[in-house]
Amino acid sequence: DIVMTQSPDSLAVSLGERATINCESSQSVLYSSNNKNYLAWYQQKPGQPPKLLIYWASTRESGVPDRFSGSGSGTDFTLTISSLQAEDVAVYYCQQYFGTPYTFGQGTKLEIK
Amino acid sequence: QVQLQQWGAGLLKPSETLSLTCAVYGGSFSGYYWSWIRQPPGKGLEWIGEVNHGGSTNYNPSLKSRVTISVDTSKNQFSLKLISVTAADTAVYYCARHEGYSYGSATHLDFWGQGNLVTVSS
Repeated sequence: DIVMTQSPDSLAVSLGERATINCESSQSVLYSSNNKNYLAWYQQKPGQPPKLLIYWASTRESGVPDRFSGSGSGTDFTLTISSLQAEDVAVYYCQQYFGTPYTFGQGTKLEIK
Repeated sequence: QVQLQQWGAGLLKPSETLSLTCAVYGGSFSGYYWSWIRQPPGKGLEWIGEVNHGGSTNYNPSLKSRVTISVDTSKNQFSLKLISVTAADTAVYYCARHEGYSYGSATHLDFWGQGNLVTVSS
């Protein structure tokens, strides 16, 4: 199985400041035939299902604010929120879909400082 | 807009069978892969398995011996059965759609059901 490890486990950021969450995979999720990273980011608020934010490591899902961005390739990825808003308080998960079993990171809890 | 509506029993005794169904509204059922994911209370997400409209399945090896995912294309529904449940199977169970299929792998999960809490307790 591909193990996904996120850091940090929790993060407190002031409103308007930048938040950065990292995700490392135990093996590359870059598929050479199409040069795509099989990596997604989700946001989950209490009592709700996860919401897709980013796919192919850096493509923003329709309707997601442009303060959310994804970067990275191979085994190291980052989700950045450029200017934290109150509604961004949530748990964030990365997920690889390079192969089954699809696996998720353990989650990063983002709070307001 | 695609909507996934799921239902099933919420309280089970150890050794019983968990059974959930997910109905897809507002979009095509064919041509997609559909997955079940679970989340124990206060914990992270675990992928259980997937099915396509043709009934082809893939399961998480950690659950494969106990899981069956099936599809009913006439109703645009897919179902999860998990046998011999224990307290460790207590979780919120989600159904979800994979947006596409690329080079042998279903892709990211773009639509999710609302989730069902299933509690296993004697």
